Amino acid sequence: SQELEQSPQSLIVQEGKNLTINCTSSKTLYGLYWYKQKYGEGLIFLMMLQKGGEEKSHEKITAKLDEKKQQSSLHITASQPSHAGIYLCGATRYRNSGGGADGLTFGKGTHLIIQP
Amino acid sequence: SAVISQKPSRDICQRGTSLTIQCQVDSQVTMMFWYRQQPGQSLTLIATANQGSEATYESGFVIDKFPISRPNLTFSTLTVSNMSPEDSSIYLCSVAQAREQYFGPGTRLTVT
Repeated sequence: SQELEQSPQSLIVQEGKNLTINCTSSKTLYGLYWYKQKYGEGLIFLMMLQKGGEEKSHEKITAKLDEKKQQSSLHITASQPSHAGIYLCGATRYRNSGGGADGLTFGKGTHLIIQP
Repeated sequence: SAVISQKPSRDICQRGTSLTIQCQVDSQVTMMFWYRQQPGQSLTLIATANQGSEATYESGFVIDKFPISRPNLTFSTLTVSNMSPEDSSIYLCSVAQAREQYFGPGTRLTVT
């Protein structure tokens, strides 16, 4: 079965600084999703990556999928208190599930704290 | 993006009872999923619910314990049966729309 390892497990960053979260898979990633979760709440969809080398940005958050499609990174520029939360990467389990028609396997999450 | 609501948002239940969680979507979707998030843990897929067919359960989850209904393209329910304290978790539904997947706000269940 596919396993996703996220690093770091937790991260404390001073407001205004940049940061990167990584998600590494034991198998090829055919669909990689990034979510943000506030404590005890639902998941907020950030981005979905499919192609090797793909990069997407939304506001100050950029996600990349490496060429070999086994690692993804999430980069936040000029962090703000609103960025605090748990970041989760999830992946489709099957090669033909790029259309989102499959449940996801998730990493354990990265807890991000922003210090003012 | 799909807007998903869940009821109840939280509940405290006694051991041995059952709770039915509702998931409502603001648009028609083919595939819905149910997940569990145990305290301090990540999400685990319970089952996939397609309208008009039986739900497909993941390893470790059985229909007798987690019966699912999917009566139409905008609604689904998950029942947690014969609850024990180990069932205390956040239960989330999600939907697939195009290449994206969206989650509901979750139902926080505490079993005493």
